[in-house]
Amino acid sequence: GAVVSQHPSWVICKSGTSVKIECRSLDFQATTMFWYRQFPKQSLMLMATSNEGSKATYEQGVEKDKFLINHASLTLSTLTVTSAHPEDSSFYICSARGFNTEAFFGQGTRLTVV
Amino acid sequence: AQSVTQPDIHITVSEGASLELRCNYSYGATPYLFWYVQSPGQGLQLLLKYFSGDTLVQGIKGFEAEFKRSQSSFNLRKPSVHWSDAAEYFCAVPNSGGYQKVTFGTGTKLQVIP
Repeated sequence: GAVVSQHPSWVICKSGTSVKIECRSLDFQATTMFWYRQFPKQSLMLMATSNEGSKATYEQGVEKDKFLINHASLTLSTLTVTSAHPEDSSFYICSARGFNTEAFFGQGTRLTVV
Repeated sequence: AQSVTQPDIHITVSEGASLELRCNYSYGATPYLFWYVQSPGQGLQLLLKYFSGDTLVQGIKGFEAEFKRSQSSFNLRKPSVHWSDAAEYFCAVPNSGGYQKVTFGTGTKLQVIP
């Protein structure tokens, strides 16, 4: 299958700082990327959907000013957690799909805010 | 809205034993259905998918799933479990047809004992 690379795999940051997570499709053009959040021992919750060159569509309850998503190219989307707080600590996973293809998932990023 | 339910939060099986993980869907028409596997601290890998046609779907790693409309089920099976199958398994359904954003079940954690 196609490869989606997510970076970093884990990050620790201080409360109040911002953290950027990258999601790259390595061998295909990702027309759509999805960002999920997974709390411990829970399922994945979709945060937002982004189409290349367009503004992201956020799910209800997700603060767009808190979680900034950029999908400026067909191979890269970024999620920036702004002014991070301990409650933002979580496992963030991206997925990417091309035109009429299934979605492929990145390996996830473990964010810990201290 | 489309949804899936995984009744079993945690299942333990002996290595070499057969496995069946349950998934029930709620959808008016014939749904698209997926099974994903997540190893600890990792992203998700697609095991198999059902779109239409043959109701018995073969996937990777020796897994199969059967779509049963009468029971609104899409259970995942494997004849003989290996220790490396220990992971969390998610049933999923796209919110609309095809490969659009996906709603995940709550997951079933599989433990394999010697």
